[in-house]
Amino acid sequence: QVQLQESGPGLVKPSQTLSLTCTVSGGSISSGGYYWSWIRQHPGKGLEWIGYIYYSGSTYYNPSLKSRVTISVDTSKNQFSLKLSSVTAADTAVYYCARVPTTVTTRYFDYWGQGTLVTVSS
Amino acid sequence: SYVLTQPPSVSVAPGQTARITCGGNNIGSKSVHWYQQKPGQAPVLVVYDDSDRPSGIPERFSGSNSGNTATLTISRVEAGDEADYYCQVWDSSSDHPRFGGGTKLTVL
Repeated sequence: QVQLQESGPGLVKPSQTLSLTCTVSGGSISSGGYYWSWIRQHPGKGLEWIGYIYYSGSTYYNPSLKSRVTISVDTSKNQFSLKLSSVTAADTAVYYCARVPTTVTTRYFDYWGQGTLVTVSS
Repeated sequence: SYVLTQPPSVSVAPGQTARITCGGNNIGSKSVHWYQQKPGQAPVLVVYDDSDRPSGIPERFSGSNSGNTATLTISRVEAGDEADYYCQVWDSSSDHPRFGGGTKLTVL
């Protein structure tokens, strides 16, 4: 059974860069067949897709965040990471990592991490 | 951008059937996926590709999709089904997964 676990600082100062890592166990990122994604949820709100990456390094980002987002992968550690620059209070949210099966016709999130709350505050 | 519309809330008595809708322009031409999120927990995939269930999801959860509306149906509702439910599609024109706003299911 695949498991994903987010890690990183729970508090980030405004204008700084939010950095999170997702560690995958029970499956290898480099085996292919899946995208690896970040999703966030503002307090009391709905889900917002941030972006995803393939093991090869190909990335796809939400246009609304694209200018500030970088997702990278480290297959040697079976991890992928999120960097979100120039954060403001509006970036305060629970951040989830998730797995996305690669299919021709659709994308969905079949396994999720437990989520980590990141608060942007001075 | 492609918009998905869900009712904010649905209420149902235990043992009854809950139906949660997800509206979108010609959504019947897309694959719809549904997630259950209980308070303080991560979302869980309960239906994918309109009507398929992941391993471990009870048969009480089913889905349908036609025209401009997709529906998640929960039969014989239990107290443990109380949660937020989100629909999701893939907007292939922009390679952008999109979520509905979520529906809070209350078990009376």
